[in-house]
Order: sequence, then C-alpha cells, then structure tokens
Amino acid sequence: AQTVTQSQPEMSVQEAETVTLSCTYDTSENNYYLFWYKQPPSRQMILVIRQEAYKQQNATENRFSVNFQKAAKSFSLKISDSQLGDTAMYFCAFTPGGDKLTFGTGTRLAVRP
Amino acid sequence: GAGVSQSPRYKVAKRGQDVALRCDPISGHVSLFWYQQALGQGPEFLTYFQNEAQLDKSGLPSDRFFAERPEGSVSTLKIQRTQQEDSAVYLCASSPPPTGKAQNTIYFGEGSWLTVV
Repeated sequence: AQTVTQSQPEMSVQEAETVTLSCTYDTSENNYYLFWYKQPPSRQMILVIRQEAYKQQNATENRFSVNFQKAAKSFSLKISDSQLGDTAMYFCAFTPGGDKLTFGTGTRLAVRP
Repeated sequence: GAGVSQSPRYKVAKRGQDVALRCDPISGHVSLFWYQQALGQGPEFLTYFQNEAQLDKSGLPSDRFFAERPEGSVSTLKIQRTQQEDSAVYLCASSPPPTGKAQNTIYFGEGSWLTVV
C-alpha cells in the first residue's frame, strides 16, 4: 500500500518570499506520478504541479517548482515570490498511474502581507 | 463542459434521509472518481469508474453508499439512511484517456458539501 506523509500541518511565509512544503511517500512501484494540489476555502482541488517518476528533471510551473528525490522518496514544493492568493491548503498526492490518488494530510499555508 | 461539475453544492440532510449527489465529468474523460473529505483531512478514495464499469469500490465505507455511471458519463453517488459521520465534502474527479500530455492527471470538481443533522 502507498502512503503519503506531509509533516508540516501549518506554514507561514511573508509575501514575496519563498517557502518549501515537504512531502514524503512510500511505494514499491518503480513508475508513478506525483502531484501537488491547492485547496482554497471553496474546497475545489486545483492542480498545481505534476511529476512523472521516470523523469529526472524537476517539474516547474511559473512560480512553483518541485524537488523530486526518487531514492529518498521525497517530493517537496517550492513556491517563489509568494502571493496572498497562494494562501490555501496544499496536498501532496501519489498514483501508480491511471488509478486512484492517495493524499497526504495537507499543509495549511498562510501568506502574510 | 469546461470542468467537472457537481450538484448540489450544498446539502443538509436529516439523519436517516437518502441523498443523491451528481457529477458531470469533463467531456471525453473516461475515468471518474469519487472522494470523501472530512473536515481537516485529506480526500479519501471511495470508488472509480472507467466508462460505465465500476472497477474499484474498495473505499465505499458501508453498503449504504452506492455509485453508478450507467452511460459512462454522468455519475451519481447515493447515500442511504444518512448518518452524522457521513458529513463531509464529496469530491468528484475525472481524468482523460491514457494518451497525451495530461494522462494520469486527475481534475476535480468543486465538491458537494453534505451536512447531516
């Protein structure tokens, strides 16, 4: 069974600064997909970034980037130039492919003005 | 439609009442998922369809929960004899066929908030 662990229940960052959210996972699969989702108070899960395990290059999407360490089973999210609109819950998620997602427990991020 | 659409957005049910939650996935998406998210928790998998076939229902918490997708498009999650512990946000998601750049990416709707009183 796969597990996803987010060890930071809450994080806070000053506007325009950089913050890193941690995620570790456990799986026996060799190929899989990892995601970060953002969930604002409306509760819609919004895809932030996606990483395929077979790709060594870290994924980037504008101000969002990941540090994917396959051997360590670590998948952290870096948010640069934080904006007030980044305030939300962030969930790390895993799937072996084409199948259900396993989520972590989330990290609540607050961006301070 | 442009995104995954769910209705109703908010539902208050009296304990013991039956409820039905509807999900309209993104056009062309063959896979459809239901998740349950309790307050302060991450979403938990309930069930998964590929077209009209329910391939995995291992996450359904009891036989009071039933899901269907008879024509491989719209899906309904039905909860019979609701209990207070059923209060949660029910998220529907869909994903495209396993080809192309977006494969294995799951897109979520806004959820249906169920409160059982």
